[in-house]
Amino acid sequence: EIVMTQSPATLSVSPGERATLSCRASQSVSFKLAWYQQKPGQAPRLLIHGSSTRATGVPDRFSGSGSGTEFTLTISSLQSEDSALYYCQQYMNWPPLTFGGGTKVEIK
Amino acid sequence: EVQLVQSGAEVRKPGDCLKISCTASGYSFTNYWIGWVRQMPGKGLEWMGIIYPRDSDTRYNPSFQGQVVISVDKSITTAYLQWGSLKATDAATYYCARWDSGAGKDRGFDSWGQGTLVTVSS
Repeated sequence: EIVMTQSPATLSVSPGERATLSCRASQSVSFKLAWYQQKPGQAPRLLIHGSSTRATGVPDRFSGSGSGTEFTLTISSLQSEDSALYYCQQYMNWPPLTFGGGTKVEIK
Repeated sequence: EVQLVQSGAEVRKPGDCLKISCTASGYSFTNYWIGWVRQMPGKGLEWMGIIYPRDSDTRYNPSFQGQVVISVDKSITTAYLQWGSLKATDAATYYCARWDSGAGKDRGFDSWGQGTLVTVSS
């Protein structure tokens, strides 16, 4: 099983500032990495697939990068509505599909 | 518009059986995998398993194999997650989600149900 590790656990960022979230895989997943956003009381929402391709309707302030074992989700200019939990997920080797433990983004 | 609508919240006792549902609309149901994801209170996302409605090909997370059964009824575009004997540790919110693998390329879970809260308490 590929283990996904996210850091930091919590990120506090001022509005308009950049937020950088990290995700590491225990072995290479090539570009087969997705990011999801989950707001309190809501279902997750797909943000990024293929490491860097934004899903339909996702604002361009969200960008993904990386390959192999190291990945980054960047929110270029944090908005208040971006306060949420963010999860990475690998789909290189499945089953099982595996998620990271999540990063909570707070507005400072 | 793609929609996944899940059945309502359930309260059960340990040892009870339970079957929750996920009804899809707005797309060709048989062409996309449907997965189930568990979220225990205050915790992260755990992938449980996935089913391909066209032929009922089902893959399980080894952590959930033998604990749950995933099935589908194509005639009513509905997927199911069921337990034969619930435990207190099964208390969680369960999400169904559509896995986008169009043109043979995986793209993640692109549509999600609203979640079904399962409470297990004696």
